[in-house]
Amino acid sequence: IAGITQAPTSQILAAGRRMTLRCTQDMRHNAMYWYRQDLGLGLRLIHYSNTAGTTGKGEVPDGYSVSRANTDDFPLTLASAVPSQTSVYFCASSDSRETGANVLTFGAGSRLTVL
Amino acid sequence: AQSVTQLDSQVPVFEEAPVELRCNYSSSVSVYLFWYVQYPNQGLQLLLKYLSGSTLVKGINGFEAEFNKSQTSFHLRKPSVHISDTAEYFCAVSRTSYDKVIFGPGTSLSVIP
Repeated sequence: IAGITQAPTSQILAAGRRMTLRCTQDMRHNAMYWYRQDLGLGLRLIHYSNTAGTTGKGEVPDGYSVSRANTDDFPLTLASAVPSQTSVYFCASSDSRETGANVLTFGAGSRLTVL
Repeated sequence: AQSVTQLDSQVPVFEEAPVELRCNYSSSVSVYLFWYVQYPNQGLQLLLKYLSGSTLVKGINGFEAEFNKSQTSFHLRKPSVHISDTAEYFCAVSRTSYDKVIFGPGTSLSVIP
């Protein structure tokens, strides 16, 4: 089934540890995004990539890094996790060439708890 | 920069009653507007979108939204809700077809039997 796969689905992590959230899409979408979802704040954009080889900062990029080595994969890395990074993380992709607008397809999310 | 406001954080409504979820946006340029729905423990999925043309947009599951440029609003409506409509609803905006999408804080719709 075409879509976005995120891993892990859930993780508990000690503060100071390094963590990479994985995201893979099989739709050949050009753009990919990472959002975090926090109660009362909705979804906030962390980083994005309009095409393979390029990335950009979103609304809340501090403490996170991304890479886009190919079209399908867009991992999100927390170099040294802090408790404020406890959240649900969603990866999304889009291809506005198909739809004429940035219609996002979302993964199922990764729940991260930093203690 | 654009932003999105959803005035109601929680909306309880009885089954088969009508509902309106409010969304206002701010932007200095023309925008594309979206409503997404998130069912419990799931990712988000597109409910409907406004790109151009008719200001009344119909989406899935009987929802519709009306774009009002003068009031910078994009309110979501459904004439008769079902229990299965219980979910979180997010309004979102994008300046162009290639621009990043900015989300509002969400409205939690609870349908009461």
